[in-house]
Amino acid sequence: QVQLVESGGGLVKPGGSLRLSCAASGFTFSDYYMSWIRQAPGKGLEWVSYISSSGSTIYYADSVKGRFTISRDNAKNSLYLQMNSLRAEDTAVYYCARDSLWELPDYFDYWGQGTLVTVSS
Amino acid sequence: EIVMTQSPATLSVSPGERATLSCRASQSVSSNLAWYQQKPGQAPRLLIYGASTRATGIPARFSGSGSGTEFTLTISSLQSEDFAVYYCQQYNNWPPLYTFGQGTKLEIK
Repeated sequence: QVQLVESGGGLVKPGGSLRLSCAASGFTFSDYYMSWIRQAPGKGLEWVSYISSSGSTIYYADSVKGRFTISRDNAKNSLYLQMNSLRAEDTAVYYCARDSLWELPDYFDYWGQGTLVTVSS
Repeated sequence: EIVMTQSPATLSVSPGERATLSCRASQSVSSNLAWYQQKPGQAPRLLIYGASTRATGIPARFSGSGSGTEFTLTISSLQSEDFAVYYCQQYNNWPPLYTFGQGTKLEIK
C-alpha cells in the first residue's frame, strides 16, 4: 500500500534552517509529481511547493519562494524540503503528498502523517 | 491566485441527517475541484476529485456536484465518523498554484 512518512521536523529559532524528508513506498515514486503542503496550528491547508517526477520542474508558493528548496532522490524514493531563513509564520505541520502522474495540476490522493515544525526563540 | 471560499464555516447537523457544504471559486476552475476530510490529529483524506468522482474506498453517502465556480459536497445520512473538517481544493491553473478553501467544520448537533 502507498505510504508517505515525513521526518525532520522540530523546534528551530527564527532565521534558522531545517530539512524535511519524506520516504515513499508502495508505488513507483519516480513516476509521480510530489508536493509539500503545510497547516499552521488551528488553521487551514496551504500548498508550499511542487516538483515534477524528474525534478526538472519546480514551483513554490510566494510565501516561501527564495527561502525553501524542494528536491527529490528517485533512487532513494525520497522527497525533501530544505527550509532556510525560517520565520514564526512558518510554524506548521508539513505534509508531503502524492500529486500527478503527468505535467498537469492534480489532486492529492495520498498524504503523509505530517511533521511539525516550530519556529520560536 | 484563485481564491476558494467555503460556507458555512461551521455546520451543526444531527446524525442520520443530510449535510450540504459549499465551495465557491473566485474564477472558473472547470471541474478541477477536490474535497478532503480531516479529523483531529490526522492528515487530510481525499474524498472527491473531478468535482464529482468518489475516491477509492469512499462510501456512497458522499457525493460532489458543480462546475465552474460553484461546488457542493453532500453527505447523506451522517454517521458519527463523518464529523470532521472538510476542505475543497482547486487544481485548475498552471503553474500549479494550488489553493484550498478555509474549511467547513461539521459538528454534531
